[in-house]
Amino acid sequence: DIQMTQSPSSLSASAGDRVTIACRASQDINYHLAWFQQKPGMAPKSLIYGASTLQDGVPLKFSGSGSGTDFTLTISSLQPEDFATYFCLQYNKFPPTFGGGTKVEVK
Amino acid sequence: QVHLVESGGGVVQPGDSLTVSCAASGFTFSTYALHWVRQTPGKGLEWVAVIWYDGTKQYADSVKGRFTISRDNSKNTVYLQMNSLRAEDTAVYYCARDYIAYATWYYFDYWGQGTLVTVSP
Repeated sequence: DIQMTQSPSSLSASAGDRVTIACRASQDINYHLAWFQQKPGMAPKSLIYGASTLQDGVPLKFSGSGSGTDFTLTISSLQPEDFATYFCLQYNKFPPTFGGGTKVEVK
Repeated sequence: QVHLVESGGGVVQPGDSLTVSCAASGFTFSTYALHWVRQTPGKGLEWVAVIWYDGTKQYADSVKGRFTISRDNSKNTVYLQMNSLRAEDTAVYYCARDYIAYATWYYFDYWGQGTLVTVSP
Protein backbone atom coordinates (compact mmCIF):
# COMPACT_ATOMS: atom_id res chain seq x y z
CA ASP A 1 0.00 0.00 0.00
CA ILE A 2 1.10 3.59 -0.58
CA GLN A 3 2.13 5.32 2.63
CA MET A 4 1.08 8.95 3.10
CA THR A 5 3.14 11.03 5.50
CA GLN A 6 1.79 14.35 6.68
CA SER A 7 3.76 17.06 8.39
CA PRO A 8 3.58 18.57 10.84
CA SER A 9 1.25 16.43 12.94
CA SER A 10 0.13 19.59 14.70
CA LEU A 11 0.76 23.29 14.54
CA SER A 12 -0.21 26.39 16.48
CA ALA A 13 -1.20 29.49 14.58
CA SER A 14 -3.06 32.76 14.98
CA ALA A 15 -5.94 34.17 13.01
CA GLY A 16 -4.60 35.82 9.89
CA ASP A 17 -1.58 33.53 9.62
CA ARG A 18 -0.65 31.73 6.43
CA VAL A 19 -0.49 28.01 7.10
CA THR A 20 1.08 25.27 5.00
CA ILE A 21 0.65 21.54 5.51
CA ALA A 22 2.68 18.94 3.65
CA CYS A 23 1.82 15.46 2.47
CA ARG A 24 4.34 13.05 0.98
CA ALA A 25 3.53 9.80 -0.81
CA SER A 26 5.78 6.76 -0.67
CA GLN A 27 5.53 6.47 -4.46
CA ASP A 28 4.39 8.56 -7.42
CA ILE A 29 0.65 9.23 -7.25
CA ASN A 30 0.52 11.69 -10.15
CA TYR A 31 -1.98 14.34 -9.02
CA HIS A 32 -4.46 11.99 -7.39
CA LEU A 33 -4.38 13.68 -4.01
CA ALA A 34 -7.25 15.11 -1.99
CA TRP A 35 -7.45 17.22 1.16
CA PHE A 36 -10.14 17.09 3.82
CA GLN A 37 -11.02 19.15 6.87
CA GLN A 38 -12.49 17.59 9.99
CA LYS A 39 -13.81 19.25 13.12
CA PRO A 40 -14.41 17.31 16.35
CA GLY A 41 -17.48 15.11 16.21
CA MET A 42 -18.24 16.06 12.63
CA ALA A 43 -18.02 14.40 9.24
CA PRO A 44 -14.91 15.10 7.16
CA LYS A 45 -15.42 17.80 4.56
CA SER A 46 -13.83 17.62 1.15
CA LEU A 47 -11.70 20.65 0.28
CA ILE A 48 -9.51 19.81 -2.70
CA TYR A 49 -9.12 16.97 -5.18
CA GLY A 50 -6.76 16.46 -8.09
CA ALA A 51 -4.10 18.08 -5.88
CA SER A 52 -5.31 21.61 -6.66
CA THR A 53 -9.01 21.67 -7.65
CA LEU A 54 -11.29 23.21 -5.06
CA GLN A 55 -14.45 21.33 -4.26
CA ASP A 56 -17.60 23.36 -4.96
CA GLY A 57 -18.23 25.95 -2.27
CA VAL A 58 -14.76 25.83 -0.72
CA PRO A 59 -13.39 29.35 -0.17
CA LEU A 60 -10.42 30.56 -2.19
CA LYS A 61 -8.27 30.92 0.92
CA PHE A 62 -7.62 27.20 0.52
CA SER A 63 -5.20 26.10 -2.17
CA GLY A 64 -3.35 22.93 -3.02
CA SER A 65 -0.28 22.21 -5.05
CA GLY A 66 2.11 19.45 -5.98
CA SER A 67 2.30 16.31 -8.07
CA GLY A 68 4.17 13.04 -7.96
CA THR A 69 5.11 12.50 -4.33
CA ASP A 70 5.06 15.93 -2.66
CA PHE A 71 1.97 18.01 -2.02
CA THR A 72 0.95 21.01 0.07
CA LEU A 73 -2.25 22.51 1.39
CA THR A 74 -2.12 26.24 2.09
CA ILE A 75 -4.60 28.36 4.01
CA SER A 76 -3.81 31.92 3.04
CA SER A 77 -5.30 33.70 6.04
CA LEU A 78 -6.41 31.52 8.90
CA GLN A 79 -9.86 32.29 10.29
CA PRO A 80 -11.46 30.99 13.51
CA GLU A 81 -13.54 28.47 11.57
CA ASP A 82 -10.37 26.96 10.07
CA PHE A 83 -9.04 25.53 13.32
CA ALA A 84 -9.52 21.84 12.66
CA THR A 85 -7.69 18.69 11.61
CA TYR A 86 -6.65 18.32 7.98
CA PHE A 87 -5.75 15.09 6.27
CA CYS A 88 -4.74 13.98 2.80
CA LEU A 89 -5.88 11.03 0.73
CA GLN A 90 -4.19 9.36 -2.23
CA TYR A 91 -6.54 7.74 -4.72
CA ASN A 92 -4.07 6.91 -7.46
CA LYS A 93 -3.59 3.30 -6.51
CA PHE A 94 -5.84 0.80 -4.79
CA PRO A 95 -6.37 0.79 -1.86
CA PRO A 96 -6.85 4.48 -1.16
CA THR A 97 -4.77 5.58 1.82
CA PHE A 98 -4.81 8.55 4.16
CA GLY A 99 -2.23 10.71 5.83
CA GLY A 100 -2.10 10.79 9.61
CA GLY A 101 -3.60 14.26 9.89
CA THR A 102 -2.46 17.74 10.93
CA LYS A 103 -4.22 19.44 13.80
CA VAL A 104 -4.28 23.23 13.45
CA GLU A 105 -4.66 24.78 16.88
CA VAL A 106 -4.96 28.27 18.26
CA LYS A 107 -1.64 29.74 19.35
CA GLN B 1 -28.34 18.42 -0.89
CA VAL B 2 -26.41 15.17 -0.42
CA HIS B 3 -26.98 13.51 2.94
CA LEU B 4 -25.53 10.31 4.30
CA VAL B 5 -26.73 9.08 7.68
CA GLU B 6 -25.14 6.09 9.36
CA SER B 7 -26.79 3.99 12.02
CA GLY B 8 -26.44 0.68 13.80
CA GLY B 9 -23.25 1.14 15.77
CA GLY B 10 -22.95 -0.13 19.30
CA VAL B 11 -20.97 -2.17 21.79
CA VAL B 12 -20.35 -5.83 20.98
CA GLN B 13 -18.06 -8.56 22.21
CA PRO B 14 -15.14 -10.06 20.28
CA GLY B 15 -16.40 -12.64 17.81
CA ASP B 16 -19.83 -11.03 17.53
CA SER B 17 -21.49 -9.72 14.40
CA LEU B 18 -22.97 -6.31 13.71
CA THR B 19 -24.46 -4.57 10.69
CA VAL B 20 -24.22 -0.83 10.20
CA SER B 21 -26.33 1.05 7.66
CA CYS B 22 -26.06 4.26 5.71
CA ALA B 23 -29.17 5.96 4.36
CA ALA B 24 -28.54 8.32 1.46
CA SER B 25 -30.54 11.14 -0.04
CA GLY B 26 -30.11 14.08 -2.37
CA PHE B 27 -28.61 12.24 -5.34
CA THR B 28 -29.31 9.35 -7.69
CA PHE B 29 -28.12 6.61 -5.36
CA SER B 30 -27.96 3.77 -7.87
CA THR B 31 -25.39 5.56 -10.05
CA TYR B 32 -22.69 6.07 -7.41
CA ALA B 33 -20.15 3.89 -5.68
CA LEU B 34 -20.39 3.98 -1.89
CA HIS B 35 -17.52 3.42 0.51
CA TRP B 36 -17.02 2.63 4.17
CA VAL B 37 -14.09 4.31 5.91
CA ARG B 38 -13.21 3.91 9.58
CA GLN B 39 -11.34 6.13 11.99
CA THR B 40 -9.55 5.41 15.26
CA PRO B 41 -7.47 7.73 17.43
CA GLY B 42 -4.51 5.40 17.12
CA LYS B 43 -4.52 4.34 13.46
CA GLY B 44 -6.28 7.31 11.92
CA LEU B 45 -8.39 6.86 8.81
CA GLU B 46 -8.57 3.52 7.05
CA TRP B 47 -10.55 2.70 3.93
CA VAL B 48 -12.63 -0.43 4.52
CA ALA B 49 -14.78 -1.35 1.54
CA VAL B 50 -16.53 -0.11 -1.59
CA ILE B 51 -19.53 -1.22 -3.58
CA TRP B 52 -19.59 0.09 -7.12
CA TYR B 53 -22.71 1.32 -8.85
CA ASP B 54 -22.84 -2.02 -10.69
CA GLY B 55 -22.49 -4.07 -7.50
CA THR B 56 -18.77 -4.82 -7.71
CA LYS B 57 -17.27 -5.11 -4.21
CA GLN B 58 -13.76 -4.54 -2.92
CA TYR B 59 -12.34 -4.80 0.59
CA ALA B 60 -9.30 -3.85 2.61
CA ASP B 61 -7.10 -6.82 3.46
CA SER B 62 -7.75 -6.21 7.16
CA VAL B 63 -11.46 -7.03 6.80
CA LYS B 64 -11.57 -9.35 3.77
CA GLY B 65 -13.48 -12.51 4.58
CA ARG B 66 -15.09 -10.99 7.68
CA PHE B 67 -16.97 -7.92 6.39
CA THR B 68 -19.56 -7.77 3.60
CA ILE B 69 -20.73 -4.60 1.90
CA SER B 70 -24.10 -4.52 0.16
CA ARG B 71 -26.58 -2.02 -1.17
CA ASP B 72 -30.33 -1.77 -1.63
CA ASN B 73 -31.02 0.73 -4.37
CA SER B 74 -34.76 0.62 -3.64
CA LYS B 75 -34.04 1.92 -0.14
CA ASN B 76 -31.09 4.18 -1.03
CA THR B 77 -29.12 2.37 1.66
CA VAL B 78 -25.69 0.77 1.87
CA TYR B 79 -24.81 -1.77 4.55
CA LEU B 80 -21.68 -3.14 6.14
CA GLN B 81 -22.11 -6.52 7.76
CA MET B 82 -19.26 -7.18 10.16
CA ASN B 83 -18.58 -10.72 11.41
CA SER B 84 -15.94 -12.13 13.73
CA LEU B 85 -15.35 -8.69 15.17
CA ARG B 86 -12.06 -7.97 16.90
CA ALA B 87 -10.94 -5.30 19.34
CA GLU B 88 -8.99 -3.67 16.52
CA ASP B 89 -12.23 -3.13 14.60
CA THR B 90 -13.27 -0.59 17.22
CA ALA B 91 -13.72 2.67 15.32
CA VAL B 92 -16.08 5.30 14.02
CA TYR B 93 -17.43 3.97 10.73
CA TYR B 94 -18.23 6.51 8.03
CA CYS B 95 -19.97 5.96 4.75
CA ALA B 96 -18.83 8.15 1.91
CA ARG B 97 -19.90 8.75 -1.65
CA ASP B 98 -17.49 8.37 -4.55
CA TYR B 99 -17.06 11.50 -6.60
CA ILE B 100 -18.19 10.45 -10.06
CA ALA B 101 -21.35 8.68 -11.16
CA TYR B 102 -20.90 5.46 -13.13
CA ALA B 103 -17.24 5.25 -12.09
CA THR B 104 -15.08 4.65 -9.03
CA TRP B 105 -12.37 7.16 -8.30
CA TYR B 106 -11.79 6.20 -4.66
CA TYR B 107 -12.11 9.91 -3.82
CA PHE B 108 -14.94 10.74 -1.47
CA ASP B 109 -16.82 14.01 -1.86
CA TYR B 110 -19.51 13.53 0.80
CA TRP B 111 -19.30 11.73 4.11
CA GLY B 112 -21.80 10.85 6.78
CA GLN B 113 -21.40 11.78 10.43
CA GLY B 114 -20.26 8.29 11.42
CA THR B 115 -21.40 5.57 13.78
CA LEU B 116 -19.26 4.21 16.61
CA VAL B 117 -18.57 0.50 16.84
CA THR B 118 -16.90 -0.68 20.02
CA VAL B 119 -15.64 -4.24 20.34
CA SER B 120 -14.93 -5.02 23.97
CA PRO B 121 -15.18 -8.07 26.25
